[in-house]
Amino acid sequence: QVQLVQSGAEVKKPGSSVKVSCKASGGTFTNYAISWVRQAPGQGLEWMGGVIPLYGTTNHANYAQKFQGRVTITKDDSTSTAYMELTSLRSEDTAVYYCARQSVATIRGVYYDYGMDVWGQGTTVTVAS
Amino acid sequence: EIVMTQSPATLSVSPGERATLSCRASQSVSGNLAWYQQKPGQAPRLLIYGASTRATGIPARFSGSGSGTEFTLTISSLQSEDFAVYYCQQYNNWPPLFSFGPGTKVDMK
Repeated sequence: QVQLVQSGAEVKKPGSSVKVSCKASGGTFTNYAISWVRQAPGQGLEWMGGVIPLYGTTNHANYAQKFQGRVTITKDDSTSTAYMELTSLRSEDTAVYYCARQSVATIRGVYYDYGMDVWGQGTTVTVAS
Repeated sequence: EIVMTQSPATLSVSPGERATLSCRASQSVSGNLAWYQQKPGQAPRLLIYGASTRATGIPARFSGSGSGTEFTLTISSLQSEDFAVYYCQQYNNWPPLFSFGPGTKVDMK
């Protein structure tokens, strides 16, 4: 049973950057998409972006418009680790950050997503001066 | 950008009763809709994908329906472990961009 293990909690200053990792334990990322979702205290879920496998070897990143230019998501299939880097941090970025695995398929040119079925334990990022 | 709304914000239900949760998309998402359950201090759990397909290990009392812009999650007979927040999530086909609804909290009447 694959598990996603995320890196530990972070405390950052406004204006700095944070990089969170997500490693698959008991399985791999190959042929799976990975999304990053965050949850501010007492708030709902917010999709930040993700990477999807294309043509077997290429990982294509997509980002929510809100985070374009500030977030970079990568996936290293050789180490079964995904990363999310968020720059120019502000207090509103204080949240729990989750990675999630998605089973996906492209059939006759149509992309299919079968949901975020495995989640990491979450990483708390606190932005404070 | 597709905006998701959910109603009601809070649903008070007694154990054994039926719970019906609604989710609406600002434009058609076809059948590209998933439902998640989240309990306090836990990561979300996938319940339904493709609008109506139960994820692995999800009890049959959970069912999803709908297409286009209107979707429903039904819990046929609420169990004590079902009190939680439920989120719907859509994706458009290409490029795959996702968004969540604000959630419906199911609590005990």
